[in-house]
Amino acid sequence: AQSVTQPDIHITVSEGASLELRCNYSYGATPYLFWYVQSPGQGLQLLLKYFSGDTLVQGIKGFEAEFKRSQSSFNLRKPSVHWSDAAEYFCAVGHGSSNTGKLIFGQGTTLQVKP
Amino acid sequence: DSGVTQTPKHLITATGQRVTLRCSPRSGDLSVYWYQQSLDQGLQFLIQYYNGEERAKGNILERFSAQQFPDLHSELNLSSLELGDSALYFCASSVGGQGWDQPQHFGDGTRLSIL
Repeated sequence: AQSVTQPDIHITVSEGASLELRCNYSYGATPYLFWYVQSPGQGLQLLLKYFSGDTLVQGIKGFEAEFKRSQSSFNLRKPSVHWSDAAEYFCAVGHGSSNTGKLIFGQGTTLQVKP
Repeated sequence: DSGVTQTPKHLITATGQRVTLRCSPRSGDLSVYWYQQSLDQGLQFLIQYYNGEERAKGNILERFSAQQFPDLHSELNLSSLELGDSALYFCASSVGGQGWDQPQHFGDGTRLSIL
């Protein structure tokens, strides 16, 4: 069965430091991979997505992610974190046949930013 | 603002009761998705409707049902409520039936509290 694992439940970084959030997936075929961010009291916002092609994808708010098939990973990175990046981050994989939009989400990683 | 509207924002009720959550998708979106976010289960896909018809089903309990109306708004009905149904319920919408090229846009959620 398809699954997504985010090994880090909580991460704290200093403002201006670099960030990497880990995501590992389990899927038999080429996955459709996504990163979403959830700010307190709000819904999820799509940061970036990977379908095929270039394994390094750029997203909004200065985020990028790299797809590594050999490691079944899709880690999210940002070179310099801002206080406004504090939020919960979810990795997700597209599930099932191509005619549905079902997403399987990881458990999420809460990012705290120290001043 | 994602363009997806969910009402009500908060709902407090008692065990055994029935509630209806409402979702208005973004203008032009034909698919509506329902997700449940709880502390113990995380973010879980419940069901997808595309242009009025059920497209995909996830871990949705038999006590829960949904429908999408001709004007494309959707309702999620939860009955015989239990304490464990307390959660944040998200609605998302996308243009097509497969939310890959056209990503899913999430509403701010309805927080359901069962007393």
